[in-house]
Amino acid sequence: QQQVKQSPQSLIVQKGGISIINCAYENTAFDYFPWYQQFPGKGPALLIAIRPDVSEKKEGRFTISFNKSAKQFSLHIMDSQPGDSATYFCAGGAGNNRKLIWGLGTSLAVNP
Amino acid sequence: NAGVTQTPKFQVLKTGQSMTLQCAQDMNHEYMSWYRQDPGMGLRLIHYSVGAGITDQGEVPNGYNVSRSTTEDFPLRLLSAAPSQTSVYFCASSQGGRETEAFFGQGTRLTVV
Repeated sequence: QQQVKQSPQSLIVQKGGISIINCAYENTAFDYFPWYQQFPGKGPALLIAIRPDVSEKKEGRFTISFNKSAKQFSLHIMDSQPGDSATYFCAGGAGNNRKLIWGLGTSLAVNP
Repeated sequence: NAGVTQTPKFQVLKTGQSMTLQCAQDMNHEYMSWYRQDPGMGLRLIHYSVGAGITDQGEVPNGYNVSRSTTEDFPLRLLSAAPSQTSVYFCASSQGGRETEAFFGQGTRLTVV
């Protein structure tokens, strides 16, 4: 069963626009929600992460918004750039359990 | 800094052959894991280890074996390769604990013909 549902599967955004990727989770024990970025031919790398005791976390152009009651969180990429073109994965983790449950990924293309 | 090193980067196997994918990390991380990545399927956990001598199954363990004799190394063995095992394989390591960052290798692209 898929415990973290990610949408959309693919996304095309114009340079300078806002990219929004959404994730919904089922396991209420999750207390750690990272986003990973993967470029073609590379392994995923941590982009930004949030814990459910805050509703928003911002790092540069990247922001995570978290809605605990709806069990949803999203990644916003402001002023999207062609260099942001990559696959983005959300995930959920619980406590000291280092097994992350992953979304299926979103392929983002930012047109110049 | 080497981080997580996977070898080989590419491999072609014939059905029924066996092979070992190597993974080594130099960060003294306790937790290591193997994933396979297939189009539209995201990252699926094959096996993981929480320390030397301790391994456990992930969601897709069939056809794969692992061992963890040292903290640094976590090889993945394909016992009898099948076309369904054609995939990109990633090894990852993390220190463990809350909010732990997983560091991934560059991946091994395996084709079974």
